[in-house]
Amino acid sequence: EPEVTQTPSHQVTQMGQEVILRCVPISNHLYFYWYRQILGQKVEFLVSFYNNEISEKSEIFDDQFSVERPDGSNFTLKIRSTKLEDSAMYFCASSEAWRANTEAFFGQGTRLTVV
Amino acid sequence: RKEVEQDPGPFNVPEGATVAFNCTYSNSASQSFFWYRQDCRKEPKLLMSVYSSGNEDGRFTAQLNRASQYISLLIRDSKLSDSATYLCVVNGELGGATNKLIFGTGTLLAVQP
Repeated sequence: EPEVTQTPSHQVTQMGQEVILRCVPISNHLYFYWYRQILGQKVEFLVSFYNNEISEKSEIFDDQFSVERPDGSNFTLKIRSTKLEDSAMYFCASSEAWRANTEAFFGQGTRLTVV
Repeated sequence: RKEVEQDPGPFNVPEGATVAFNCTYSNSASQSFFWYRQDCRKEPKLLMSVYSSGNEDGRFTAQLNRASQYISLLIRDSKLSDSATYLCVVNGELGGATNKLIFGTGTLLAVQP
């Protein structure tokens, strides 16, 4: 069964450092997303991406965040200067289409710990 | 008012019990509704979509009341393997202006032997 894969599974970084979280969406999917979940809290939308550009972003997704699809398969989330409060599980997701009831498939997540 | 509101639980039930989860959402223009399941420290996985007519998948039944902005999930004959957090999720708006998923905080279910 096709799946969304994310690397690394766990990333520890020092405050102020840049991190890049990587995702390989399902190959025939066209819409890509990043979500995050702070420990003990709900899953929160960060950004959606289609046709090589951001289609929507949340208030959380400030200038410290960026996304890129550098080639035909990878989808990355970069945090330029990490803060302690960026510590969370980051989930990548992809979907085939942009219509009602289309399932979004989630990767297994990258746990980011900022120290 | 929170966008998607759920009772956080935990719900502790014996095996074989019937358990019901409820959820309310604030945006009347919301278009799509789902129940996701999340195991501890894992990714959310789609359990079922929720339709106005109600839908059933084996032991699971979902209902949507658009007038009350209320979604429910019923699990019959609960199994130990049903233990997880159940996430109420709302997506999109009429006209398709957004496709982001809005998650509730989830309801923790613990099925006891």
